[in-house]
Amino acid sequence: DVKVTQSSRYLVKRTGEKVFLECVQDMDHENMFWYRQDPGLGLRLIYFSYDVKMKEKGDIPEGYSVSREKKERFSLILESASTNQTSMYLCASSGLQPQHFGDGTRLSIL
Amino acid sequence: QKEVEQNSGPLSVPEGAIASLNCTYSDRVSQSFFWYRQYSGKSPELIMSIYSNGDKEDGRFTAQLNKASQYVSLLIRDSQPSDSATYLCAVFGGYQKVTFGTGTKLQVIP
Repeated sequence: DVKVTQSSRYLVKRTGEKVFLECVQDMDHENMFWYRQDPGLGLRLIYFSYDVKMKEKGDIPEGYSVSREKKERFSLILESASTNQTSMYLCASSGLQPQHFGDGTRLSIL
Repeated sequence: QKEVEQNSGPLSVPEGAIASLNCTYSDRVSQSFFWYRQYSGKSPELIMSIYSNGDKEDGRFTAQLNKASQYVSLLIRDSQPSDSATYLCAVFGGYQKVTFGTGTKLQVIP
């Protein structure tokens, strides 16, 4: 079975902080994704990566950056956290397809 | 027009009945289609994949695809209260781009 592990289930940070969300997958998948999910808005793609050190912007990249130094690890960075970034963050990975999700990180920015 | 549309629900069915969940998509070149189940507060879990026109059955679940009508559906037979969740339709459009619908909330009434 595919295992996608996100470092935290719940996280509380303050506005202006730099926040790191970590994601690790154990299936040697090329592709990794970061989404946020908000009520009524569904899943929205922030960034994705199809190879080490490669990244592509998704639909809502503003205020976020990513890092993929190793194939199994994909990090999402909130450069200066704001209250409108309070959300559920989901990491996913895939080979050709489909995507498999981690358990999610519920992030609150105070 | 949204790329992937689902009725948000809630769809309420009695225990033991057939639940029918529907999804339409706008991109005619879409090749692969997926259904995810998401329990409240949890991450999406892949339950069905379908790639060609027709029906695909897996236990109590049947996925149906009609590419000419750009329509994909999920039938759940003998619905159980444990099936109560939000069901996300996902459409793969190439270059690893997957578009998710906003989901249909299913309530199975005991």
